[in-house]
Amino acid sequence: DAKTTQPNSMESNEEEPVHLPCNHSTISGTDYIHWYRQLPSQGPEYVIHGLTSNVNNRMASLAIAEDRKSSTLILHRATLRDAAVYYCILRGRDDKIIFGKGTRLHILP
Amino acid sequence: NAGVTQTPKFQVLKTGQSMTLQCAQDMNHEYMSWYRQDPGMGLRLIHYSVGAGITDQGEVPNGYNVSRSTTEDFPLRLLSAAPSQTSVYFCASSYSLGVVTEAFFGQGTRLTVV
Repeated sequence: DAKTTQPNSMESNEEEPVHLPCNHSTISGTDYIHWYRQLPSQGPEYVIHGLTSNVNNRMASLAIAEDRKSSTLILHRATLRDAAVYYCILRGRDDKIIFGKGTRLHILP
Repeated sequence: NAGVTQTPKFQVLKTGQSMTLQCAQDMNHEYMSWYRQDPGMGLRLIHYSVGAGITDQGEVPNGYNVSRSTTEDFPLRLLSAAPSQTSVYFCASSYSLGVVTEAFFGQGTRLTVV
C-alpha cells in the first residue's frame, strides 16, 4: 500500500479556513486520495475522496496537485466541532483502507 | 437507517476468557472489516471480508478469528483474551472492495483485558 505523510498536529482559529496537507510521492495512477476524520470517542467518518480533479462536498474541499504527489484538505470555516484527527489515505481498487497516524487538528475558540 | 452497529460498547474480560464482538450493517454492503485502535495510535486492520463466506487477514490478525455467514453480520472472536488485546475495536463496511467509495464505521467497542 502506498504511504502518506501528514503533520502530527495543527492548530487553527475558529471560523477561519484550515488547510490540511498530505504528501504521497509514491502514489500510483490508480490510487484514489481519501480523507477520513475521527472525532473524539467516535469511529472514523468519511470526509471526501478524489482521483485527479479537485473535489467539493458539503463538508470540505480536496485540492490535488497536478502531479498528484500531494493534496490538501480544505475546511472552509472551521468550527469547534471540526477538532478531530484527520487521516489521508491512498486507496486503489481492491485495496483495503489502511490508516496512518493522521493529523490532530486543534481549533482555538 | 442504522448503518453499522457494534455491540457491546464496553467490555471487561479476564485474561484467558473468550468473547465475540458483534458487528451488523443494514446497507447490504459486501465489504466488512475490523480494526483495533490503541491509545494515541491510528487504526490497524485485523481481518476483513469481501462477502459472505470469504474472509482474509489484515495487518494484525493474531489472536482473532472471524467468519461471515451472512451479508449483514461480521463477528470478531477472541478465543483467549490477553492484556495486549486491550483496545478500542471498530467495525467498518463499504459497498464493495472493488468499488472506491466511502466506508462507514461503527461507534466502537472498548475492550479491557485484566
